[in-house]
Amino acid sequence: GAGVSQSPRYKVAKRGQDVALRCDPISGHVSLFWYQQALGQGPEFLTYFQNEAQLDKSGLPSDRFFAERPEGSVSTLKIQRTQQEDSAVYLCASSLAVDTEAFFGQGTRLTVV
Amino acid sequence: SQKIEQNSEALNIQEGKTATLTCNYTNYSPAYLQWYRQDPGRGPVFLLLIRENEKEKRKERLKVTFDTTLKQSLFHITASQPADSATYLCARSTGFQKLVFGTGTRLLVSP
Repeated sequence: GAGVSQSPRYKVAKRGQDVALRCDPISGHVSLFWYQQALGQGPEFLTYFQNEAQLDKSGLPSDRFFAERPEGSVSTLKIQRTQQEDSAVYLCASSLAVDTEAFFGQGTRLTVV
Repeated sequence: SQKIEQNSEALNIQEGKTATLTCNYTNYSPAYLQWYRQDPGRGPVFLLLIRENEKEKRKERLKVTFDTTLKQSLFHITASQPADSATYLCARSTGFQKLVFGTGTRLLVSP
């Protein structure tokens, strides 16, 4: 595709519900990143994939957060038993190689009520 | 802790003037500093990267400086236009992985 695509664009979840956020990176991009952005803050790193390998998950805030990229293309960020503090915009970014510019998607705005 | 700080107050300037945004870092020396633009409801868009051994980098109306003595990067937009109004994010990295962002500075350019 022309850019990084994320879906859904908006998600409202009841507290305790599980959610899955999808990221379609730019075709052929090796690196994929997930970031979390709270209102009025900069994005915060969650996790990084190189192809299907999750090389860094140091930013995942708890074991309720899980990310996968099984075929080295589409990635899913799953949040189990959502809490109100999980409300944020979740941004996905991809890059062609390790040391090249990252392109961000529009994000998924998650609201936990 | 390894912080990266930007002025959280909005910067208001008039069209045609030069906008200057500041990014300060403490307790470390990043290999790279990157600047991004973010519009409401959109993801960040990469603008410029400057390496620690570079003092200045330019791209069209944009200029970034990197002062390792002051531990500071300045981002300039010359001949600013209302379309330049956005939030500008500074980020540090050791490569293009695991960016650590500042909180961003909102720029408002008035006609």
